[in-house]
Amino acid sequence: AQTVTQSQPEMSVQEAETVTLSCTYDTSESDYYLFWYKQPPSRQMILVIRQEAYKQQNATENRFSVNFQKAAKSFSLKISDSQLGDAAMYFCAYRSDGGNTPLVFGKGTRLSVIA
Amino acid sequence: NAGVTQTPKFQVLKTGQSMTLQCAQDMNHNSMYWYRQDPGMGLRLIYYSASEGTTDKGEVPNGYNVSRLNKREFSLRLESAAPSQTSVYFCASSYLLGLTLGNQPQHFGDGTRLSIL
Repeated sequence: AQTVTQSQPEMSVQEAETVTLSCTYDTSESDYYLFWYKQPPSRQMILVIRQEAYKQQNATENRFSVNFQKAAKSFSLKISDSQLGDAAMYFCAYRSDGGNTPLVFGKGTRLSVIA
Repeated sequence: NAGVTQTPKFQVLKTGQSMTLQCAQDMNHNSMYWYRQDPGMGLRLIYYSASEGTTDKGEVPNGYNVSRLNKREFSLRLESAAPSQTSVYFCASSYLLGLTLGNQPQHFGDGTRLSIL
């Protein structure tokens, strides 16, 4: 079974600075998908960014980018120019290719943004 | 767009009571999921339904039952609630377009906070 590990329960960053959240995963599959979800205090789960394992190019979405290292099974999220609204729980998630398999989530990292 | 709608948003039960959490999506998605979220544990899959008429156990199915009533609705039932089932419950849905399109994200409801005394 696949597992997802987020080793940083809590992180903090100064407003306008850059922060990187770590995620590693364990799988024997070669094709899969990785996601970062944001959960603000409202409890909503909001998709931040996604990465297909077969793509070598790292995904980017505005201020959010990933560093995907397939051999190392690492999928970190970089938030540039951090804003107060970025404060939230961030979950890394894995999904197998083939069929409609559910997401496997990490335990989350709570990000605080300091004004 | 309503997306994924969960009812109720909050509920308090006594141990031994039964309850059904409702979930409906209006995005014509094939697949639906129930997760629970506990502090420090992330989201854990309880049950999912890959398509109408099918259901499968997830990581933590004990104490729960599900019904995929139709394509839109997927309910979660606690037959005899226990304090260990105090949690926030999320329903999600996604659209399977093909075997190579697993990158379709899951859309989540706003969650149900359930407390069992």
